[in-house]
Amino acid sequence: DTGVSQDPRHKITKRGQNVTFRCDPISEHNRLYWYRQTLGQGPEFLTYFQNEAQLEKSRLLSDRFSAERPKGSFSTLEIQRTEQGDSAMYLCASTLGAGQPQHFGDGTRLSIL
Amino acid sequence: RKEVEQDPGPFNVPEGATVAFNCTYSNSASQSFFWYRQDCRKEPKLLMSVYSSGNEDGRFTAQLNRASQYISLLIRDSKLSDSATYLCVVNSPGSGNTGKLIFGQGTTLQVKP
Repeated sequence: DTGVSQDPRHKITKRGQNVTFRCDPISEHNRLYWYRQTLGQGPEFLTYFQNEAQLEKSRLLSDRFSAERPKGSFSTLEIQRTEQGDSAMYLCASTLGAGQPQHFGDGTRLSIL
Repeated sequence: RKEVEQDPGPFNVPEGATVAFNCTYSNSASQSFFWYRQDCRKEPKLLMSVYSSGNEDGRFTAQLNRASQYISLLIRDSKLSDSATYLCVVNSPGSGNTGKLIFGQGTTLQVKP
């Protein structure tokens, strides 16, 4: 399978814990995006990488959130001191160009107890 | 006002029916438009891009009206397998050409036998 892959698929943790998610984009795609989706809503943009450079961050990305894409390949999204409001599906997408469709991974479903 | 607005439905239709979804977007500088399909608890998957001249893919027809900032999706001869949420998606024209996507809330379609 050469699509976007995300790990883990599900994460259940207690409030206050740190969590880290991983995304492996389609290999030739230099653009990588993170989105968050809550029940009944469409995905909302969190952050964008072009190669290894993080070029945009949404206001949704509080200082508890950090994302990296070392070497311009896989990316990680870390949430520190999780809160119940962080419960959501975290989606990663990649694409070749700005106007091109984005291809999504299966997502990581985060539940905060 | 939301950047991309859709009627959330649900639309309940019998098999074989024709159903149309509409969507409006607020930023007149938007350049790329898509319909994505999302099954329950799954990731969004590209259904089709939307072009100014309108485009068709089998039973699906998409239209774009830039003057009215309006996008539509028509599904003919509905199948049970068309039951899903349909997301109207617009490429954000913000500075830096990041290509981030702005999603509508989604319209839920339920096709009944």
